[in-house]
Order: sequence, then C-alpha cells, then structure tokens
Amino acid sequence: GNSVTQMEGPVTLSEEAFLTINCTYTATGYPSLFWYVQYPGEGLQLLLKATKADDKGSNKGFEATYRKETTSFHLEKGSVQVSDSAVYFCALSDDGGTSYGKLTFGQGTILTVHP
Amino acid sequence: DADVTQTPRNRITKTGKRIMLECSQTKGHDRMYWYRQDPGLGLQLIYYSFDVKDINKGEISDGYSVSRQAQAKFSLSLESAIPNQTALYFCAASGERGSRSGEQFFGPGTRLTVL
Repeated sequence: GNSVTQMEGPVTLSEEAFLTINCTYTATGYPSLFWYVQYPGEGLQLLLKATKADDKGSNKGFEATYRKETTSFHLEKGSVQVSDSAVYFCALSDDGGTSYGKLTFGQGTILTVHP
Repeated sequence: DADVTQTPRNRITKTGKRIMLECSQTKGHDRMYWYRQDPGLGLQLIYYSFDVKDINKGEISDGYSVSRQAQAKFSLSLESAIPNQTALYFCAASGERGSRSGEQFFGPGTRLTVL
C-alpha cells in the first residue's frame, strides 16, 4: 500500500535559518506529491505540489523537488520567518497521473520559528 | 468566501450520544472526504465520496457513518459516541473540472470532545 514518512519533529529554528523537512514515500504507479501546511487553529491548505518526476514545486519561498530515484520530496526554505510556524504535512495522491484521487498523509512535522 | 465550511466548529458531548457533523462546499467539487486528526498521527481517512451515489470506507470507518445528501453536502455521524473519538475532524473536497492535480480543499475543522 501507499505510505508517506516525514522526519520527526518538532523542529525549532531561529528566524532566517535554513529549513529542511524530509519526506519519503512508497507508492505504486505514478503519484502526485504535495506539501500541505496547517497554521494554528486552521484547516490544511496546499503549500506546493509536483505531479511528475523532477518537477519542482515552489510557493512562498518554499521548494520541493520530486525525486523518483530516491522516492523523496523534501521541503526546503532558505530563510524561515516566525510566521512560518505551523504543522507541515507531506502527502501523495496515487492516481496514475490521470485524475484527482485520495491522499495519503505523513504524520506531520511541527515547525516553531523563534525571533 | 470559504470553499469548504463545517458546522459546528466545536462540540462537547457525552458517551453514547449521536452526533452529526456537517460539511458544505460551494465550488462544485465532485469528491468529498472526512478525515480525523489525532496528535502525532497526521490525518486518517474515515470515508470518502466520489459522487452522490458513491460512498467508500476509508482507513478508520468503524463507529462512523456518512451521508452525501447532495453534491455540495457531506455529513459525518457518530451513532454512539465514545471517548476515543475525541479528535479534530476535517472535511475536504476535490475535483474541479479539468483538474489533474489531486489537490484537496479543506474546511476549518470541528473539534469534538466526548466525555
């Protein structure tokens, strides 16, 4: 079956530090990959996505590259801000790349950024 | 305007009571989902619906039931609530016409406490 494994948290950083949150996956077929973010007291919202191998998703200074050879989709940001404090979820949609499908989520990584 | 809305936002109930959580979406999505979030466990899929006549069990459907009353409405019921159903519940929707990304749009969540 499909699975997503994220690096364990919580992660605590100082403002302007470099961020990496590791994500690896197991899936059949050709999954699409996502990072969702959950700010305190809110639902999840899509941060970025990649639908095929070697694609790079990017948004709000965050980036992740779909690496099929290492089955990874690590999230990075060069300089974090206090406002980036949230829970980050890696997810995959194993839908053969043809249509929308169910998502399988990682367990989430809590990020706290201090001034 | 929010795409996916959930009611109530918070609910405290007693063991054995029947509870219904409601979800509505305004963008004409075909697919709707109910998830449960527990600390450190990410999101677990309870039920999902690909259209009004198609309802499917997710990973943790025991103790829950759903109803897709219309394309825009998907409700989750706990027939006889128990304390270990205390959690944060999210509704999501996906399937904008022409979309291939699998992106899901989440509601703000319902915090349910069963005493």
